[in-house]
Amino acid sequence: AQSVTQPDIHITVSEGASLELRCNYSYGATPYLFWYVQSPGQGLQLLLKYFSGDTLVQGIKGFEAEFKRSQSSFNLRKPSVHWSDAAEYFCAVASNAGGTSYGKLTFGQGTILTVHP
Amino acid sequence: DVKVTQSSRYLVKRTGEKVFLECVQDMDHENMFWYRQDPGLGLRLIYFSYDVKMKEKGDIPEGYSVSREKKERFSLILESASTNQTSMYLCASSLSYTEAFFGQGTRLTVV
Repeated sequence: AQSVTQPDIHITVSEGASLELRCNYSYGATPYLFWYVQSPGQGLQLLLKYFSGDTLVQGIKGFEAEFKRSQSSFNLRKPSVHWSDAAEYFCAVASNAGGTSYGKLTFGQGTILTVHP
Repeated sequence: DVKVTQSSRYLVKRTGEKVFLECVQDMDHENMFWYRQDPGLGLRLIYFSYDVKMKEKGDIPEGYSVSREKKERFSLILESASTNQTSMYLCASSLSYTEAFFGQGTRLTVV
């Protein structure tokens, strides 16, 4: 069964500092991978996705993520954090194995990001 | 833009009531999902539907059922609401080879 682990429940950074949020997945083949962000009281917004090809993917709001097959990881990074980036971030994996589970989406526990001025 | 609409933002129901949460998407997506979100537990999949009248149990289906009679609509049913079903419920839809789009969520309180 597919699964996602986000080891950090809560991360605090200063505005302008760099950021890396960790994500490890378990899946039998190369998965579809996503990062979503959720602001308080809101639904989830897609930041970026990886399906195949270049392992470094660029997303919205200056975020990027790198797929590392050998480490089963898909960590999210941003070189300089803004106060508006404070939110909860979710990593997710989708099945691409075909059959009735094709596209089934599983999420990690989430990482809450606090940004200090 | 893709739109996923959940019928209510906030609901308060009594223990033992039958509760319906409705979700509608306007992009002809074959997949639809119901998740439950609780602090520290992330989003847990309740049910997943990959076509009309087709469904699969997710990780926490106990106490819930679903209905998908039309492609655009996916309903979550709490047969007999209990206080431990107080939570945020999120609906999503997707094509199988792309990302999921989410509704704004329904915060359900069972008293």
